[in-house]
Amino acid sequence: GDSVTQTEGPVTLSEGTSLTVNCSYETKQYPTLFWYVQYPGEGPQLLFKVPKANEKGSNRGFEATYNKEATSFHLQKASVQESDSAVYYCALSDPGTQVVGQLTFGRGTRLQVYA
Amino acid sequence: GPKVLQIPSHQIIDMGQMVTLNCDPVSNHLYFYWYKQILGQQMEFLVNFYNGKVMEKSKLFKDQFSVERPDGSYFTLKIQPTALEDSAVYFCASSYGQSSYEQYFGPGTRLTVL
Repeated sequence: GDSVTQTEGPVTLSEGTSLTVNCSYETKQYPTLFWYVQYPGEGPQLLFKVPKANEKGSNRGFEATYNKEATSFHLQKASVQESDSAVYYCALSDPGTQVVGQLTFGRGTRLQVYA
Repeated sequence: GPKVLQIPSHQIIDMGQMVTLNCDPVSNHLYFYWYKQILGQQMEFLVNFYNGKVMEKSKLFKDQFSVERPDGSYFTLKIQPTALEDSAVYFCASSYGQSSYEQYFGPGTRLTVL
């Protein structure tokens, strides 16, 4: 079945440093890839999604490129802020699965940014 | 942005009892989902629901589980009877369409079965 593997947290950074959260996936077909972010006490919210290979998604300074050859979708940010502290989930939606609309999630990566 | 509400935020019950988890989805959304997250593990799909019917369910959606949304009110997940392995955080989500449409998630209900 489909699977998503991402950097195991927690990741602890100081403000102003760069972030990379690795995400790799396995599917039978070509999925849409997502990054979700979850702040304390809230549900996951969409950061951005990329439906096509070799395209980049971005939002709030975060970005990721859909790399079909490497089956990767790494999340990057050049300079993190304390407000970026949250849990980040990589996810996919696979049109080849029986269930339309089902998201397959990674385990999440907790990011803690200190001032 | 649009909000999905979940009631209650926490629920503690004894094994064998019935529990109903409630979800108030985004008002114009048509598709509804439940996901389960055991502590330390990934969120896993349980079921999706459209037009009053279960569309698809995963292997995690046991016979003891049921969902409904009577008359456009709460979208509910009922577990009867509960088992110890049902302890988890349950997330409700809704979307206007399928596949590439964004799913909006609630904050989750933490269920503890003793």
